Amino acid sequence: NAGVMQNPRHLVRRRGQEARLRCSPMKGHSHVYWYRQLPEEGLKFMVYLQKENIIDESGMPKERFSAEFPKEGPSILRIQQVVRGDSAAYFCASSPELAKVQFFGPGTRLTVL
Amino acid sequence: DQQVKQNSPSLSVQEGRISILNCDYTNSMFDYFLWYKKYPAEGPTFLISISSIKDKNEDGRFTVFLNKSAKHLSLHIVPSQPGDSAVYFCAASADNSGYALNFGKGTSLLVTP
Repeated sequence: NAGVMQNPRHLVRRRGQEARLRCSPMKGHSHVYWYRQLPEEGLKFMVYLQKENIIDESGMPKERFSAEFPKEGPSILRIQQVVRGDSAAYFCASSPELAKVQFFGPGTRLTVL
Repeated sequence: DQQVKQNSPSLSVQEGRISILNCDYTNSMFDYFLWYKKYPAEGPTFLISISSIKDKNEDGRFTVFLNKSAKHLSLHIVPSQPGDSAVYFCAASADNSGYALNFGKGTSLLVTP
């Protein structure tokens, strides 16, 4: 049973470009969470999605950031017009329905030049 | 607003001895607590969890203790092994927040031979 998959593992963008981060949850998991980790910090919750629905996006910046989890395919975290402050590790986690333990992917390390 | 705090950034322990990692929280709505272990350039790996209705949970060498009145939990690792060297994150969730995890900043554990 494959774990949570994230790609790419490393992403370099110039200021103003778009970044697309992908996450495939574990098989059988219908809940997806995105977290961001800045250097020397803990992980910060961004958004919680179920298939085709955003359940809680209270941790996501109101502008430039969006997330989706379509009926088919991976969950996508999209950052438009990236700035240097967006440089961080972005982790996706998944869980089965009604479960409190989340399983994390290896993360995508975004560097904005 | 840091609702989960790990006040010790680092801890060094000799192999075979006990490692005690501490965590404090401020939100009385938290009812589920988790510990994750993280190696560099990898995602967090779930270790052990505890519900607020319990005060202790044990899994092999790992035991988590919860003191609700003090809003404090700790992770005990006995005996410590060099492979336990990693960053340990404490996390908490509340039923009314859709299971989004609130993380501490982590404690870096070094187990020396």
